[in-house]
Amino acid sequence: AQSVTQPDIHITVSEGASLELRCNYSYGATPYLFWYVQSPGQGLQLLLKYFSGDTLVQGIKGFEAEFKRSQSSFNLRKPSVHWSDAAEYFCAVAPYSGGGADGLTFGKGTHLIIQP
Amino acid sequence: DTGVSQDPRHKITKRGQNVTFRCDPISEHNRLYWYRQTLGQGPEFLTYFQNEAQLEKSRLLSDRFSAERPKGSFSTLEIQRTEQGDSAMYLCASSNRQGNYGYTFGSGTRLTVV
Repeated sequence: AQSVTQPDIHITVSEGASLELRCNYSYGATPYLFWYVQSPGQGLQLLLKYFSGDTLVQGIKGFEAEFKRSQSSFNLRKPSVHWSDAAEYFCAVAPYSGGGADGLTFGKGTHLIIQP
Repeated sequence: DTGVSQDPRHKITKRGQNVTFRCDPISEHNRLYWYRQTLGQGPEFLTYFQNEAQLEKSRLLSDRFSAERPKGSFSTLEIQRTEQGDSAMYLCASSNRQGNYGYTFGSGTRLTVV
């Protein structure tokens, strides 16, 4: 079964500084990888996804992520964070499967705090 | 297209009562998912529908939980004889296989069992 590890429970970054959120996955085949953001009391919004091809993926709100197969990682980055980026960030994996259940497996999330 | 809608947004119920949540997916999405999210955790997969057929259920979905998707449109999730451990955010998502796993989540229903 697939699994996702987000090693950092909390991260504090100063506004305007760069950001990197770590994500490691475990899956035997080529995974589908996702990053979602969740504001307090809200549902999840998709930031970006990786299926194949270029390993550097661009998403919304200025975020990008890089898939590194050798490290089983899919880290999320942003060059300059804004106070509105404060939220919970979830990495998720889905099986490379053409059928059956294809629910997402999520990590436990990283809580991002932005310091003024 | 107004996205995925969930109703109610919040539900407080007494232990032992039954509750039902509703999810209206994006109209052209034929796949619908239910997830449960407890405090400080990521969402956990509960069940999955393709059109009206429930094709997968997680072991998390005990006998007290039942989900339906009549006519392949909206879905309901019922919890019978609620327990305090059922307190969580229940999230619904929909996708279209042709959309390459373009899951869209609703805002969730926050259940508190007292």
